[in-house]
Amino acid sequence: DVKVTQSSRYLVKRTGEKVFLECVQDMDHENMFWYRQDPGLGLRLIYFSYDVKMKEKGDIPEGYSVSREKKERFSLILESASTNQTSMYLCASERTSGTYNEQFFGPGTRLTVL
Amino acid sequence: QKEVEQDPGPLSVPEGAIVSLNCTYSNSAFQYFMWYRQYSRKGPELLMYTYSSGNKEDGRFTAQVDKSSKYISLFIRDSQPSDSATYLCAMSARNQGGKLIFGQGTELSVKP
Repeated sequence: DVKVTQSSRYLVKRTGEKVFLECVQDMDHENMFWYRQDPGLGLRLIYFSYDVKMKEKGDIPEGYSVSREKKERFSLILESASTNQTSMYLCASERTSGTYNEQFFGPGTRLTVL
Repeated sequence: QKEVEQDPGPLSVPEGAIVSLNCTYSNSAFQYFMWYRQYSRKGPELLMYTYSSGNKEDGRFTAQVDKSSKYISLFIRDSQPSDSATYLCAMSARNQGGKLIFGQGTELSVKP
């Protein structure tokens, strides 16, 4: 059974703090993604990675960075948290097959920045 | 204009109703169309996948793609309270790195 886990379900941080969100997958997938989900806006792609030590900016990378030191782990970093980064953060791992790519999501981390 | 538009709802129907969920899109390069289901406090899970135009049926669920109109639909027959969730359409184009573009999601509630 495929599994994507995220380090925290709920997190409360203060403005200016450095925040680490961790994601681990056990499916040996090469592709991993970080999204944020906000009401009325759907899922928006922050960063993604197609391999270890490789990263690509998504649609809304400002204020975020990522780290992929091992294949199974993809971390999202908020260098200096701000209130507009209060959101649900979803990590996904992607299986690439000949027909289509399927993304498997973690349960999400609800981050509140005060 | 967003690449993918989806009515956010919320949509409330009685048990047994036929539900129609819809998305429109603007990028004619999209070839792969997916519907994800997201239960409360969970991550999305792939429900159905369709390639190019046509229909696909899986039990009570039917996915329809009309590329000429840039319109996709998900139909749920004999809806059940367990179908209550947020449904997200998603689509991608192979020549654009396969990145998924999501709709805003439609929140569905099926009342017993």
